[in-house]
Amino acid sequence: DIQMTQSPSTLSASVGDRVTITCRASQSISRWLAWYQQKPGKAPKVLIYRASTLESGVPSRFSGSGSGTDFTLTISSLQPDDFATYYCQQYNSYFEWTFGQGTKVEFK
Amino acid sequence: EVQLVQSGAEVKKPGESLKISCKASGYSFTNYWIGWVRQMPGKGLEWMGNMYPGDSDSRYSPSFQGQVTISADKSTSTAYLQWSSLKASDTAMYYCGRPSGGAAPGHFDSWGQGTLVTVSS
Repeated sequence: DIQMTQSPSTLSASVGDRVTITCRASQSISRWLAWYQQKPGKAPKVLIYRASTLESGVPSRFSGSGSGTDFTLTISSLQPDDFATYYCQQYNSYFEWTFGQGTKVEFK
Repeated sequence: EVQLVQSGAEVKKPGESLKISCKASGYSFTNYWIGWVRQMPGKGLEWMGNMYPGDSDSRYSPSFQGQVTISADKSTSTAYLQWSSLKASDTAMYYCGRPSGGAAPGHFDSWGQGTLVTVSS
């Protein structure tokens, strides 16, 4: 199994802050990585796929980077609507997909 | 517009069987994989497995292999997740999702609203 390790688990930030979440894979996954945002009681929503491609309709303040084993999700200027939990997911292995454990972004 | 509409919340007793559903619309159901993801109370997302309705090919996470069955009805564009004998530890929210990319699946680009399953004696 490919393990995905996100850090931090919780992040306290203020509106306007630049926020960075990292995701590390236990082995190379090329660029087969997606980032999702989940709000309480709601289904996840994809933000970024293939490590750095912004999903249609997602604000440009979200960006993704990385390849191989190390990946980053950046929110350039945190907005009130961005307080949520974020998950990375690898889909490199043909159907041995795994999610990271999540990063909760909360008000400082 | 792609839509996945899941069946309603369920309350079951340990040992009972259950089948929950995910009805797809807005795309060719047989040309895309469909998957299931578990979220236990207060916890993260866990991929359970995917099925390709076009040929009924099913793939499971090792953690869920033998514990659940994923199936699909092409005539109604509906996917199912089934348990033969529920345990209290199956209490969770279950989401269906459509992997992008058709026959070569990628990230989940659409999600159902979730089905809450509660198993309690």
